[in-house]
Amino acid sequence: KNEVEQSPQNLTAQEGEFITINCSYSVGISALHWLQQHPGGGIVSLFMLSSGKKKHGRLIATINIQEKHSSLHITASHPRDSAVYICAENRDDKIIFGKGTRLHILP
Amino acid sequence: KAGVTQTPRYLIKTRGQQVTLSCSPISGHRSVSWYQQTPGQGLQFLFEYFSETQRNKGNFPGRFSGRQFSNSRSEMNVSTLELGDSALYLCASSLAGVRGSGYTFGSGTRLTVV
Repeated sequence: KNEVEQSPQNLTAQEGEFITINCSYSVGISALHWLQQHPGGGIVSLFMLSSGKKKHGRLIATINIQEKHSSLHITASHPRDSAVYICAENRDDKIIFGKGTRLHILP
Repeated sequence: KAGVTQTPRYLIKTRGQQVTLSCSPISGHRSVSWYQQTPGQGLQFLFEYFSETQRNKGNFPGRFSGRQFSNSRSEMNVSTLELGDSALYLCASSLAGVRGSGYTFGSGTRLTVV
């Protein structure tokens, strides 16, 4: 059983829409990561969070430690945001990954 | 600055053979971690090396091993290859390791076992 659950698995939206991807984990962690993987395999580390909220450009990541939940938001979405978004938790010096959310932004 | 370099990019091997993959981290980064990505299992953590020592290990059989050199370059070895080892193998480097402030991924090595 994967202990990091992401939703939705797939998401298609129109350009300009506000996007939310959710991530839930089951036990206490030291940090949570959000990664972006484009077709062809390249992975970019977007955020590492242990509390609160972080923002970078049109991307916002939040984490609620008590509820064991994190969200990744994309404002004013663009076709170039189309990718797989993966959350990953640091636990006991290991990293456990969610299955990813495949996002497709239509022009 | 140069990114994380993985070689080779693509590799085809036969069942039973062994393979060695290489990862050169960003200059100054002392941590290198390795991951396997398959369509069925997604991304899975293999192991992490920091200053030439294996610090963390995922749940993979002993056929998967690695090492890190004094210049922080790391190699991953898989012996007695199985068809199920076909995957994208990614490495990532960071200053402080998997608990640190984030890591930079390489482009990966796509291994096909036939």
